[in-house]
Amino acid sequence: KAGVTQTPRYLIKTRGQQVTLSCSPISGHRSVSWYQQTPGQGLQFLFEYFSETQRNKGNFPGRFSGRQFSNSRSEMNVSTLELGDSALYLCASSLGGENSPLHFGNGTRLTVT
Amino acid sequence: GESVGLHLPTLSVQEGDNSIINCAYSNSASDYFIWYKQESGKGPQFIIDIRSNMDKRQGQRVTVLLNKTVKHLSLQIAATQPGDSAVYFCADNGGSQGNLIFGKGTKLSVKP
Repeated sequence: KAGVTQTPRYLIKTRGQQVTLSCSPISGHRSVSWYQQTPGQGLQFLFEYFSETQRNKGNFPGRFSGRQFSNSRSEMNVSTLELGDSALYLCASSLGGENSPLHFGNGTRLTVT
Repeated sequence: GESVGLHLPTLSVQEGDNSIINCAYSNSASDYFIWYKQESGKGPQFIIDIRSNMDKRQGQRVTVLLNKTVKHLSLQIAATQPGDSAVYFCADNGGSQGNLIFGKGTKLSVKP
């Protein structure tokens, strides 16, 4: 069974631009969560989607948004990029039930210049 | 907010020795815990999980111990191999659904 796939692997953007990242979950998984990973803050939760609905959201500004499609694939968007948005963005999928383990992709490395 | 923390940022062990990676969590309501391994350039890889109704769980060469009294979690790796070199994270479900609270990570280095 294929794992979680994230595209693209690397992105370079300039301040003020926007970016869209894509995630394809493991087949049969209905929940997709997004995390931001930085050396200083570690792994921080962005949001979680289940059956096309956002179930939970972390403490990030409204510039960070996401959505999930009927095939469970998910995208996240960051608008008006700031230098501090440079990070590894990780997507994780799970079956979606309580205490289902998250399975992560290899992430998208975003660099904002 | 509450978070999971780690006692040691780095751990260096000799190949073949056992490794113990420790973790403290702060949310007494947390009832599900996971260990992840992250190699350079990759996303976190699921190792093992444990629910709060257990105090020990074993996998292949790994054992997780949970002490709810002192809110402490540990990962034991038997016969550590060079391929075990990575950063190890513990996480708990102190957040909401799909929201795991991660520790900062412990870097394990295995000397041949």
